[in-house]
Amino acid sequence: RKEVEQDPGPFNVPEGATVAFNCTYSNSASQSFFWYRQDCRKEPKLLMSVYSSGNEDGRFTAQLNRASQYISLLIRDSKLSDSATYLCVVTPRTGANNLFFGTGTRLTVIP
Amino acid sequence: NAGVTQTPKFQVLKTGQSMTLQCAQDMNHEYMSWYRQDPGMGLRLIHYSVGAGITDQGEVPNGYNVSRSTTEDFPLRLLSAAPSQTSVYFCASSYSRDGAQQYFGPGTRLTVT
Repeated sequence: RKEVEQDPGPFNVPEGATVAFNCTYSNSASQSFFWYRQDCRKEPKLLMSVYSSGNEDGRFTAQLNRASQYISLLIRDSKLSDSATYLCVVTPRTGANNLFFGTGTRLTVIP
Repeated sequence: NAGVTQTPKFQVLKTGQSMTLQCAQDMNHEYMSWYRQDPGMGLRLIHYSVGAGITDQGEVPNGYNVSRSTTEDFPLRLLSAAPSQTSVYFCASSYSRDGAQQYFGPGTRLTVT
């Protein structure tokens, strides 16, 4: 079983729509959670960390459900510039020196 | 700050050739790592380092060597290239020793024929 699993999409949504992605992780001891964004043929960039209480950054909201071992990302009022692949990332345990990346969910925002 | 830089951007090798992918960062980060990204597989960790002189294996280390003689540089060596090593390689660095919140270089696209 993969450490991190994501729906690959693609998600095609109109501008202004709200879209949500989910990600599940297999290791219940996982400690840290992140969403990265990757544009086509570019490097991944950190979008936001995910905290247990949930957190928001402008139009983006991240949630963590430890009981069900999933993480979500909600994007409100989608912009054309949000088109990218969104990677779910998990650190397996405190002090671990590696991250596990999901394969990504591809989003295309349509005018 | 240049951030994380990688050279070359593109490389074509023949099976059996060796080469070194270069990675440098100017953020004084202790933690550096190498990933490969293949379609449908996500990024997979090859090797990482938590400081100068310290390296360790990741998930897919076979066929690759690393060294960390300075804080800034973390080269990845392919010993004898194989077609299975055709991939996009990303170097990353982090201020955190547990590797969280990594900054990635622009990547090297490697094709082995």
